[in-house]
This record gives sequence, C-alpha cells and structure tokens, in this order.
Amino acid sequence: QVQLVQSGAEVKKPGSSVKVSCRASGGTLSSYTISWVRQAPGQGLDWMGRIIPILGIANYAQKFQGRVSITADRSTSTAYMELSSLRSEDTAVYYCARDYYDHSGYFVPLGYWGQGTLVTVSS
Amino acid sequence: DIVLTQSPGTLSLSPGERATLSCRASQSVGSNFLAWFQQIPGQAPRLLIYGASSRATGIPDRFGGSGSGTDFTLTISRLEPEDFAVYYCQQYGSSPWTFGQGTKVEIK
Repeated sequence: QVQLVQSGAEVKKPGSSVKVSCRASGGTLSSYTISWVRQAPGQGLDWMGRIIPILGIANYAQKFQGRVSITADRSTSTAYMELSSLRSEDTAVYYCARDYYDHSGYFVPLGYWGQGTLVTVSS
Repeated sequence: DIVLTQSPGTLSLSPGERATLSCRASQSVGSNFLAWFQQIPGQAPRLLIYGASSRATGIPDRFGGSGSGTDFTLTISRLEPEDFAVYYCQQYGSSPWTFGQGTKVEIK
C-alpha cells in the first residue's frame, strides 16, 4: 500500500522560505509524477506544479512561477516543495499527491495523497 | 488556463436522496481528463472518478461520473451519511492542472 508521509507543520516569517518534504513508502517515486496542491484556510484546492522524478523535470502553475521549486530524490523516494518570498497569503495546508496507472494501464491522477503540512506565515 | 466552474455552490439534501453535481469547463478538456475528488473537513482529498467516468479503486458504485468536452456531472445515487462533504472537479488534460471551486453537499 502506497503511503505519502509529509514533514511537520512550519511557522515562517514573511519574506522567508519553506521546504516541505513528502516521502513515499510502499512504492517508488521514479515511475510516477508527484504534484503539490495547496489549500488556504476555508478555501478550495490550488494545484502548484508537478515533477516527473525519473526525468527530474518539473512544471509549475503560472501564479507560483519564480517562487516555487519542486524537486525529487529518487534514492530516498522523497519529493520536496520549496516556496520562497513567503507572504501571509501563503498560509495554507500543502499536500503532495502521486499518480498511478490502473489495471488497464490508464493514467490516474492524484490517486494517493499525503496527510498535509500546515505552513503558517506570520510576523 | 482552463477554468472549471462548479454548480451549485451548496446542495442541501437528505440521506437516501440523489445528488447531481455539475462542472463546466471554459474550454474542452483534452481526452476527457476530468477527475472528481471528495474532501471531508480536516482530511486530504480523496479521488473518486478519473477519465470523467472511471471509478477509482475502492470507490462505491453509488458514485458515477459522466460527460465530455466542457460539461461533466458527478452523481451520487443514494446519499449515505459519510457522503456529506465538499466535492471538487479537476482537469488534467492540459497544464496547468486546475480545480473547480467546489460544491458542498450538506444535510438538509
């Protein structure tokens, strides 16, 4: 059974950076993509970007471009999301999520989710 | 970017009733790559439907997805107490992937 385990809650000052980790157990990262999705308090889901670990290629939503970096370490089956120049509006729960392929080989997006990491940005 | 608009914002129903949730895209969703998620407060989202109509592993058959192009529907045939939650549609046919704003299904 695939599990995604994320790092713990963080409190950060405005202007600083945060790096959240997401470790996969019960499976590998290499063959699947990992996305990061955030959810501000009381708000909906916001896709930030994704990485293909086997290629090391990431793409990002335009609104986060230049502030976010998604990386992966295949040796430890861990993905990372780093967000810089933090502001109060970045206070949110950050989730990682992994894709898979069904029994027919059909792509299934965001089928496994981490537990979420609360990042609070406050002076 | 593809904008997904969900309606209604809130659906007030009783257990045992049928729920019909709509998701409309600003442009055609490539290959009908449209998914539905359920989120219970305090929990991570859970994938229900992918490819517009395929149920994810372990999802009960009272959940059904339909639609193509720009109009998609999630139907819950008979609401169980655990189905009262917020539902999001999401498209993964083109980058960036985007989510709808959500529909809350609440107990009437």
